[in-house]
Amino acid sequence: GQNIDQPTEMTATEGAIVQINCTYQTSGFNGLFWYQQHAGEAPTFLSYNVLDGLEEKGRFSSFLSRSKGYSYLLLKELQMKDSASYLCAGSDSNYQLIWGAGTKLIIKP
Amino acid sequence: IAGITQAPTSQILAAGRRMTLRCTQDMRHNAMYWYRQDLGLGLRLIHYSNTAGTTGKGEVPDGYSVSRANTDDFPLTLASAVPSQTSVYFCASSELAGGPDTQYFGPGTRLTVL
Repeated sequence: GQNIDQPTEMTATEGAIVQINCTYQTSGFNGLFWYQQHAGEAPTFLSYNVLDGLEEKGRFSSFLSRSKGYSYLLLKELQMKDSASYLCAGSDSNYQLIWGAGTKLIIKP
Repeated sequence: IAGITQAPTSQILAAGRRMTLRCTQDMRHNAMYWYRQDLGLGLRLIHYSNTAGTTGKGEVPDGYSVSRANTDDFPLTLASAVPSQTSVYFCASSELAGGPDTQYFGPGTRLTVL
């Protein structure tokens, strides 16, 4: 079966660093996406990894290990506006996205 | 501003009624998608279209139908709504079909079926 697992909720402090983990099982694999979704809004694209390693984009970085079926999203210098849900999605052999339920990130001052 | 629009923003519907959710994109993207999002679950694909004139079934297609008469529009129809179809519905599009590509989402339609 196909499955994406990520923690339901995490709490972090403004200015700190947080790592959101995601493990995936897909039939075939064509990359791993991370999206951000603020409450009541649409998901917006953050990152895409298809090769092993770290992709850095400003305060956000995403890591992929294909052999371990594992990815993480790293958020640095947390700001209150980073309070949102972070969705992990794997692209399967048909290029359809299999979505995790999302990790709700709560930022405290 | 280019993007995806959805209508209506929200709707309360009596069970058994027919309802069409509208989705229009102006980015000339080839592929379009309909998802539903329920609390505690990931986005689930209902139907998709890789190009105008073609559609395909996703993970949860029962009770829904779609059409893709042109590149821009991708309406989703509930023929006879049931309470389990209460959800937030997102339309999305991507430039490429048949390859991993970023999906861009509309603002969503919040549907309540009573």
